[in-house]
Amino acid sequence: DAMVIQNPRYQVTQFGKPVTLSCSQTLNHNVMYWYQQKSSQAPKLLFHYYDKDFNNEADTPDNFQSRRPNTSFCFLDIRSPGLGDAAMYLCATSRAVSSSDEQFFGPGTRLTVL
Amino acid sequence: SQQGEEDPQALSIQEGENATMNCSYKTSINNLQWYRQNSGRGLVHLILIRSNEREKHSGRLRVTLDTSKKSSSLLITASRAADTASYFCAPDGGSNYKLTFGKGTLLTVNP
Repeated sequence: DAMVIQNPRYQVTQFGKPVTLSCSQTLNHNVMYWYQQKSSQAPKLLFHYYDKDFNNEADTPDNFQSRRPNTSFCFLDIRSPGLGDAAMYLCATSRAVSSSDEQFFGPGTRLTVL
Repeated sequence: SQQGEEDPQALSIQEGENATMNCSYKTSINNLQWYRQNSGRGLVHLILIRSNEREKHSGRLRVTLDTSKKSSSLLITASRAADTASYFCAPDGGSNYKLTFGKGTLLTVNP
């Protein structure tokens, strides 16, 4: 089945220690998104890629970076995680950059910062 | 920026009952989507309604849109325990791509 896969499902890191979360998709979608969702909060868009074109949200901290080496994979790098970065990180895809397009989400990676 | 606000924040019902969740937004939209999130999982798309539509159905789901009131509602009929989840609305705020999610309504369906 076509899907969005996130690894790992659970990630524990130490304060200030860089961490990378990965996302892959078999849907062959052009757009990949990264959201941050804290407990009982709304998912918050961090950035998205349309193909190789990177689009950062204005309020996304510089601590968060992303890479998309090919259509299938997208990575979220947190350069120096703080306690406030503990959250669920959701990857999503869509065919086009359009609000009329359904977004397909992965199961998320729950990040714990010690 | 545009953000959907769901109401109520939490809803608890018995299996078989109907559940209604509401969403309000502030600026005009092109589209509004509803998503479901089971505990600790990713979001799943339920339904999209366009600004020129007033009502859409999908199985046991019924979504309405009132652009004059800037509000939408999601009705789940004959609820099941498996419907227990958080439900999010995502209006686009007229942007070409961005969906802005609210905090969601946590629905609990008791067996």
